[in-house]
Amino acid sequence: QSVLTQPPSVSAALGQKVTISCSGSRSNIGNNYVSWYQQLPGTAPRLLIYDDDKRLSGVPDRFSGSKSGTSATLGITGLQTGDEADYYCATWDSSLTAVVFGGGTKVTVL
Amino acid sequence: EVQLEESGGGLVQPGGSLRLSCAASGFTFNNYAMSWVRQAPGKGLEWVSGITGSGNSAFYADSVKGRFTISKDNSKNTLSLQMNSLRAADTAIYYCAKNFGDLTRFDYWGRGTLVTVSS
Repeated sequence: QSVLTQPPSVSAALGQKVTISCSGSRSNIGNNYVSWYQQLPGTAPRLLIYDDDKRLSGVPDRFSGSKSGTSATLGITGLQTGDEADYYCATWDSSLTAVVFGGGTKVTVL
Repeated sequence: EVQLEESGGGLVQPGGSLRLSCAASGFTFNNYAMSWVRQAPGKGLEWVSGITGSGNSAFYADSVKGRFTISKDNSKNTLSLQMNSLRAADTAIYYCAKNFGDLTRFDYWGRGTLVTVSS
């Protein structure tokens, strides 16, 4: 069971928008920055968002991050078939003194 | 161009040991923290361990604490993970990752090396 909770899957039609939630607690999301990663099938993860809402250079602005309290959200607009992947949130947990990942969310483009 | 190449994976019996290595190039190795992240077959990502740029401070997931040791050789641009007392639950692809800023930001990843713990 992951410290950070993500929905197992989300889906939307081509060109539409999806949001992925990541829920934690004060010891992790509530007091530390959140990063988001995309993992295409059979490949290593790729950093999309760091420090809650900053896009890594080269990441399309269709991807956005936000945080409120002990929850963070990744948004993807203008969904493309190439966005079908697993997405993970991550942050530092001050109580565990460890990096924690969410369980991952599979995005399906209908 | 940043490159990270893991090696050392393979099949090992429960209770055995294995040493993973990650050869880094394309950046000033001693300026950056590095981490190991693993992924069991069909499962999500799990952070294993991280080490500061200087190599002076290391952090571990509870699941591997006391069994795994991370180290960083800044003269050889190499990250290592010594894994002892291996269990079936340690079976996974192990990724070497470069950190920037703090240990939760992994901006470059290797392709991973598969560790299988089985009798």
